Amino acid sequence: NAGVTQTPKFQVLKTGQSMTLQCAQDMNHEYMSWYRQDPGMGLRLIHYSVGAGITDQGEVPNGYNVSRSTTEDFPLRLLSAAPSQTSVYFCASSYSLFISGSPGSTKNIQYFGAGTRLSVL
Amino acid sequence: GQQVMQIPQYQHVQEGEDFTTYCNSSTTLSNIQWYKQRPGGHPVFLIQLVKSGEVKKQKRLTFQFGEAKKNSSLHITATQTTDVGTYFCAGRTNTGNQFYFGTGTSLTVIP
Repeated sequence: NAGVTQTPKFQVLKTGQSMTLQCAQDMNHEYMSWYRQDPGMGLRLIHYSVGAGITDQGEVPNGYNVSRSTTEDFPLRLLSAAPSQTSVYFCASSYSLFISGSPGSTKNIQYFGAGTRLSVL
Repeated sequence: GQQVMQIPQYQHVQEGEDFTTYCNSSTTLSNIQWYKQRPGGHPVFLIQLVKSGEVKKQKRLTFQFGEAKKNSSLHITATQTTDVGTYFCAGRTNTGNQFYFGTGTSLTVIP
């Protein structure tokens, strides 16, 4: 199993350019999410998906789009890059996040990709 | 906004000293997870706590979940250079579909 694979590992963009960050998992996980990590801010949720065809916004969704056409893939699109989007982006997946009556289930453990380091000039 | 706060933001210790990081939530959590991120790496799951007052140990690491399920702590006894990294807590409420990560505590161990 490769786990969670993110591409590219590094990217430099000019302001206004668009791009897609790729995320793929081979663990048949239902739940996938995108976080951005900035110094002193921890990990902030951008968008998440509880299954194919279903996506929802997290804490900081502005400027980003997602889609989930398959269980395996969850790409993150930057529509018009801005310097404020300079960050490290992590994709994560888990079997399921919300399991009624079973908050202790190991199925909600999140597995992270290696990250994409993005600079917007 | 951020629902889970973590302190301290940075901690430098001499090798062999103890270390503690604290996590506080504004709302009651259904469970809390702890992750470790090595420098330049990605977060890796350490442990999950579910019950009020729960205490779990992993070798030199002790994790606690508060009685009110609003706070948690991670204590490392006799730190080693391999403990270097950033430790994050992540909590989930009873109804939410997301984990709220704390701001993290960056641990530096001086040999």
